[in-house]
Amino acid sequence: GQSLEQPSEVTAVEGAIVQINCTYQTSGFYGLSWYQQHDGGAPTFLSYNALDGLEETGRFSSFLSRSDSYGYLLLQELQMKDSASYFCAVRGGATNKLIFGTGTLLAVQP
Amino acid sequence: KAGVTQTPRYLIKTRGQQVTLSCSPISGHRSVSWYQQTPGQGLQFLFEYFSETQRNKGNFPGRFSGRQFSNSRSEMNVSTLELGDSALYLCASSLEPGVAGELFFGEGSRLTVL
Repeated sequence: GQSLEQPSEVTAVEGAIVQINCTYQTSGFYGLSWYQQHDGGAPTFLSYNALDGLEETGRFSSFLSRSDSYGYLLLQELQMKDSASYFCAVRGGATNKLIFGTGTLLAVQP
Repeated sequence: KAGVTQTPRYLIKTRGQQVTLSCSPISGHRSVSWYQQTPGQGLQFLFEYFSETQRNKGNFPGRFSGRQFSNSRSEMNVSTLELGDSALYLCASSLEPGVAGELFFGEGSRLTVL
């Protein structure tokens, strides 16, 4: 089967850098994605990694190490509006389903 | 370009009833996936549809079913509702099934079972 682990909560201050880790288990692997969800809102896509290394999109970066079954989302220059839940998701397994982790609630404090 | 539209946004049902939720994908998107979201459980995969065919199914009982129409719109149905079915049901669309990256999500249908 497939499973993902990520911290349940992270707290940081405005302007800081925060890293949200994600470890996964899957029998087959096609890529790791990250989504952001504000309270009461729809999840929105942030980034995707299929190959090892770092992908940068503005203040957000995502890293993947396939050999370690590990990835992280890096948020720089934190802003209050970054307070949200962040989900990692892996597509893999025999049926190529996209499975989500339980999410990390990021609280950005002034 | 309109986003993913889900209806109804909120609904209240009682145990034993059934419910049908609707999802209209982004124009041109042919793949629709459904997820159940409850506090602490993240997003649990329900189904994935493409070209009116169910491609994948999650680990939910047979009370949960779905379908996709020729215009790519999708519906899911939950019969014999239980209290534990109270959740936010999210629909997501993509151009093709099994895409490597981006899914576009709707705002969800929030179901409360009393």
